[in-house]
Amino acid sequence: EPEVTQTPSHQVTQMGQEVILRCVPISNHLYFYWYRQILGQKVEFLVSFYNNEISEKSEIFDDQFSVERPDGSNFTLKIRSTKLEDSAMYFCASSGWRDYEQYFGPGTRLTVT
Amino acid sequence: ILNVEQSPQSLHVQEGDSTNFTCSFPSSNFYALHWYRWETAKSPEALFVMTLNGDEKKKGRISATLNTKEGYSYLYIKGSQPEDSATYLCAFSSGTYKYIFGTGTRLKVLA
Repeated sequence: EPEVTQTPSHQVTQMGQEVILRCVPISNHLYFYWYRQILGQKVEFLVSFYNNEISEKSEIFDDQFSVERPDGSNFTLKIRSTKLEDSAMYFCASSGWRDYEQYFGPGTRLTVT
Repeated sequence: ILNVEQSPQSLHVQEGDSTNFTCSFPSSNFYALHWYRWETAKSPEALFVMTLNGDEKKKGRISATLNTKEGYSYLYIKGSQPEDSATYLCAFSSGTYKYIFGTGTRLKVLA
């Protein structure tokens, strides 16, 4: 069964460093999403991406964040200058069409020290 | 500010009991409601996507209903089993590509 994969599973970085989180969505899916969950809090929407551009982004997704689909298979989330409060589990998801079921990856735990 | 609430936050039921929980969301500008099942150390798994007022969806022993006019959805589990133990999340979409999640209901089914 096709699945969404994410790498790395855990990333530790120092404050101010850039990180890139990688996702490989399900191959025939068209919509891609990033979410995060800070420990003990709600899952938060970050950004949705369709047709090689951002469809929607939340207030969290400021200029420090960017997304890219560099090669037609990977979908990346970059945080330019990490802050302590960026520590969270980051999930990538994809769906075949808007508001079809979203398939989540296993997540990347980002720890900023 | 759009808010999605789920209740109860957690519950324990005995194996074989039926149970239900609620997701409340803004009744204006409704587009879709997603339900997910999230087991510890795994990723959220899609259960249902509901879009029409009065929708009822079923998957095995789990079913869901939707009332968009009053802004709530119920998730029912019939004859709970220990493997149903998980956190059940709902997420609301208002017609943009943005999703607002509830805090989840943590279900523990006791054998």
